[in-house]
Amino acid sequence: DVKVTQSSRYLVKRTGEKVFLECVQDMDHENMFWYRQDPGLGLRLIYFSYDVKMKEKGDIPEGYSVSREKKERFSLILESASTNQTSMYLCASSLQGQGSLSNEQFFGPGTRLTVL
Amino acid sequence: QQQVKQSPQSLIVQKGGIPIINCAYENTAFDYFPWYQQFPGKGPALLIAIRPDVSEKKEGRFTISFNKSAKQFSLHIMDSQPGDSATYFCAASMDSNYQLIWGAGTKLIIKP
Repeated sequence: DVKVTQSSRYLVKRTGEKVFLECVQDMDHENMFWYRQDPGLGLRLIYFSYDVKMKEKGDIPEGYSVSREKKERFSLILESASTNQTSMYLCASSLQGQGSLSNEQFFGPGTRLTVL
Repeated sequence: QQQVKQSPQSLIVQKGGIPIINCAYENTAFDYFPWYQQFPGKGPALLIAIRPDVSEKKEGRFTISFNKSAKQFSLHIMDSQPGDSATYFCAASMDSNYQLIWGAGTKLIIKP
């Protein structure tokens, strides 16, 4: 079974703090994604990466950065946390290539971040 | 053009009923339409998916109906159970692009 793990289930930080969210997958997937999930807004893509050291902006990259130094690990960084970044953060991974197998994304359990 | 519109936002159905969740899209280049199921405290997980060359796909009690001309697809849950209570997301993508375009989600509650 694909396993995607996230470093924390719950996190409370103060405004202005630098926040690191870590994600690790164990299935040798090329693609990794960071989403935030807010009620009524679904899943919004923050950043994704299709290879080590490669990254692409998603729909809402402002206020975030990412790092992918190793294939299995994708980190989301909030440079200076703000209250409007309070949300559920979900990491996902998928295979690269064409066809249904590469379309399926496997998710971690999420990190609920509260910024005070 | 990249949006996927999902309705309703929430749905309450009695046990044994058939909840129906609808999604609509604009981009005719989409060729893969999955549904994901998310339980509280968990990440979403793929439930069932369809490609536009078929009009219906069944997996157990879950059925996707696909209407290519109307650019709509829907999820039906037969003989619904309280354990089906979850948030359901539709999505769409193109084979050439591994990103998924997500609907806003439907919170489904099945009452005993």
